[in-house]
Amino acid sequence: GQQVMQIPQYQHVQEGEDFTTYCNSSTTLSNIQWYKQRPGGHPVFLIQLVKSGEVKKQKRLTFQFGEAKKNSSLHITATQTTDVGTYFCAGGNAGNMLTFGGGTRLMVKP
Amino acid sequence: DVKVTQSSRYLVKRTGEKVFLECVQDMDHENMFWYRQDPGLGLRLIYFSYDVKMKEKGDIPEGYSVSREKKERFSLILESASTNQTSMYLCASSPDFTGELFFGEGSRLTVL
Repeated sequence: GQQVMQIPQYQHVQEGEDFTTYCNSSTTLSNIQWYKQRPGGHPVFLIQLVKSGEVKKQKRLTFQFGEAKKNSSLHITATQTTDVGTYFCAGGNAGNMLTFGGGTRLMVKP
Repeated sequence: DVKVTQSSRYLVKRTGEKVFLECVQDMDHENMFWYRQDPGLGLRLIYFSYDVKMKEKGDIPEGYSVSREKKERFSLILESASTNQTSMYLCASSPDFTGELFFGEGSRLTVL
């Protein structure tokens, strides 16, 4: 079945440093979604990408979908303490349910 | 404001007990899902439902069953709880089959 791998599992950064999490699928995806889960909270939808090579920005967050539609990344510029949480990617394939990656837990030192 | 409500935030049960986890959504969504979240494993789909009385197995359905008698309500049932079912359970709903998921607050179940 479809597998979605996400790295790294954990990342400690100093406030102000950049952060990137990567997502790789074993199969070609029709779309990819990103979610953020704050400590003690539930996952909240951030964005969906559907086009090959697509790049979307939300303030300091930049999301990319690979040309082959098998990988994606989330980059945060100049992290803040409010960015703390676990970031999940979820890959969709036509006719199949979303498959979530294992998540990257981001910790930010003030 | 859209809302998915899970009946219990924290539960402690004993091995062999029957456990009901309830989920209600107020967005008139067709699709509802139950996920299990464990550290390092992400969210794994247990069951989903795309219509009233319809259910489909996800990736890890063993030891679980579900019920969807009304559109807004999707219940997860553990017929005989076991310690390896200690986990965080997340309910979600969505208007589209592979669209944005709206999650509930989660139910943390501990089986002793």
